[in-house]
Amino acid sequence: EAQVTQNPRYLITVTGKKLTVTCSQNMNHEYMSWYRQDPGLGLRQIYYSMNVEVTDKGDVPEGYKVSRKEKRNFPLILESPSPNQTSLYFCASSRPPTGRGETQYFGPGTRLLVL
Amino acid sequence: SQKIEQNSEALNIQEGKTATLTCNYTNYSPAYLQWYRQDPGRGPVFLLLIRENEKEKRKERLKVTFDTTLKQSLFHITASQPADSATYLCARSYGNKLVFGAGTILRVKS
Repeated sequence: EAQVTQNPRYLITVTGKKLTVTCSQNMNHEYMSWYRQDPGLGLRQIYYSMNVEVTDKGDVPEGYKVSRKEKRNFPLILESPSPNQTSLYFCASSRPPTGRGETQYFGPGTRLLVL
Repeated sequence: SQKIEQNSEALNIQEGKTATLTCNYTNYSPAYLQWYRQDPGRGPVFLLLIRENEKEKRKERLKVTFDTTLKQSLFHITASQPADSATYLCARSYGNKLVFGAGTILRVKS
């Protein structure tokens, strides 16, 4: 079954304690991205990756890091989480966005609470 | 920045009626617009895509229009059902990114 998986699904942590949210896809997609979703603000892109070892900032990259060492995996790293990073996070993958219209496949989401 | 605006108020309609959701964008017209459905606590699911040279696209009970003069896309669900209740997100292409609107909640009452 084609899917994007994320772990953990729920996470409660404290300010400053480094954490990693994993994302994996089995569709051989080149393009992967991370979004955060907050009430009234919709989905905002944090980082995206066009392929292995190629990453770029989205609209809200501050406080986050990513890496793309393998095609299927795209972890999101919060080096020093703060309460304003409390949010619902989604990973997504697709073929490269070339203007023809590439469907984004989303993971189930990770709900993060930073105390 | 490229903005996408959707009605922030929820849309409440009666079963069997047509639901119409609006998506407005700013600046230049995108190469395409996409519509997604999101259920509470779940990831968005792709529904339809419409390109800038297309006026209308249909899929079963769904119809999307794209008006580059008005800078607007309309999303229609005909013969709506309670199972159509969800949040609907509009997204526009922007270079290598996809920019999403905040979504409109649709509630279909039986």
